[in-house]
Amino acid sequence: EVRLVESGGGLVQPGGSLRLSCSASGFTFVNFNMNWVRQAPGKGLEWVAFITSGITTRQYADSVKGRFTISRDNVKKTLYLQMNNLRVDDTAVYYCTTEAFDDWGQGTLVTVSS
Amino acid sequence: EIVLTQSPATLSLSPGERATLSCRASQSVSFYLAWYQQKLGQPPRLLIYDASKRAAAIPARFSASGSGTDFTLTVSSLEPEDFAVYYCQQRYHWPLTFGGGTRVEIK
Repeated sequence: EVRLVESGGGLVQPGGSLRLSCSASGFTFVNFNMNWVRQAPGKGLEWVAFITSGITTRQYADSVKGRFTISRDNVKKTLYLQMNNLRVDDTAVYYCTTEAFDDWGQGTLVTVSS
Repeated sequence: EIVLTQSPATLSLSPGERATLSCRASQSVSFYLAWYQQKLGQPPRLLIYDASKRAAAIPARFSASGSGTDFTLTVSSLEPEDFAVYYCQQRYHWPLTFGGGTRVEIK
């Protein structure tokens, strides 16, 4: 069974940084491209970032480009999202998903507030 | 960026009724469109990919069609567990984008 477990969320001040992690199990992580998707409270879904299995390609939403970095450790079977210069409008539940978006974690809440 | 417009914003129906949801893209996404269902407090669940292919374990009452810019998701007979928010997503062009969602509520 595919299992994705996000962690690392919390309360951070505007301008601060946070690193999210997504621990994967139940599938061959090294073979799969991965995504981060977020959802602001009471709002819709927003795709955030993508990374290929071999870390050769990364893609980002314009809203996070230059501030967020997606990465992965295929030995640890973990996906990361380094978030810098956080803004109030980055407040959201952040989900990690497989390439085809057919498996999702339960999400981790990031709150950016002073 | 490809903008996806979903309509209606809210659909009020009774169990057993047919639901028809629309998703329109600002430019062609070929058939690279997916549909998701999301219930309160849960992550989204993939229903449909490649415009018309049901994902694993999705009941046959869910069907979808379309290509290019106009897409439709149909629930043939609503079950109580189908009342939720539905999102479309295009996977044709970076950045990937989602529609704003359609809420299907009990009338």
